[in-house]
Amino acid sequence: NAGVMQNPRHLVRRRGQEARLRCSPMKGHSHVYWYRQLPEEGLKFMVYLQKENIIDESGMPKERFSAEFPKEGPSILRIQQVVRGDSAAYFCASSPRLAGARSYNEQFFGPGTRLTVL
Amino acid sequence: QKEVEQDPGPLSVPEGAIVSLNCTYSNSAFQYFMWYRQYSRKGPELLMYTYSSGNKEDGRFTAQVDKSSKYISLFIRDSQPSDSATYLCASSIIQGAQKLVFGQGTRLTINP
Repeated sequence: NAGVMQNPRHLVRRRGQEARLRCSPMKGHSHVYWYRQLPEEGLKFMVYLQKENIIDESGMPKERFSAEFPKEGPSILRIQQVVRGDSAAYFCASSPRLAGARSYNEQFFGPGTRLTVL
Repeated sequence: QKEVEQDPGPLSVPEGAIVSLNCTYSNSAFQYFMWYRQYSRKGPELLMYTYSSGNKEDGRFTAQVDKSSKYISLFIRDSQPSDSATYLCASSIIQGAQKLVFGQGTRLTINP
């Protein structure tokens, strides 16, 4: 049973270019979370998606960032017109279901995509 | 004020020592408390989670939560060099998306 897959593992972009980060959740998982880890900082929540729906995007920057999780295919985190401050590790996590009360819904993390903006 | 605070270290101890890692949090709505381990250039992996207050033990690892003081702890007994990693505490509310709020992470090195 393959874990969460992310690609590319490393991505280098010049300022102003677009970055597309892909995440394939674990088999049977329909919930995807994206987190960003800046150097020397902990992970920060960005967005939570279910198939074809954005459920919570409270952690997404208001401009240049977007995310989708189509019916078929991986989840995509898209960053337009990248700037140096976007350089970070971007982690995707997936979980199998929405938890009810007292039921912890473990999130399984992928290996991350390390974005470097020159 | 960050919702979850964690001393980033680094922390270096000899092999076999007992390690104590700690976090504090400010959001009273948090009910789940997790410890993740992250090796260099890898994704975080869940070590343990605790619901509400109390202790939980798993092998050499013990997690404690004191909701009255909003304090989260992880103890590692008989520490091994393979335990060298960054340890992240995280919290979430009980329902809904359960998005995780992470501390900064503590970098731990166990010296042989």
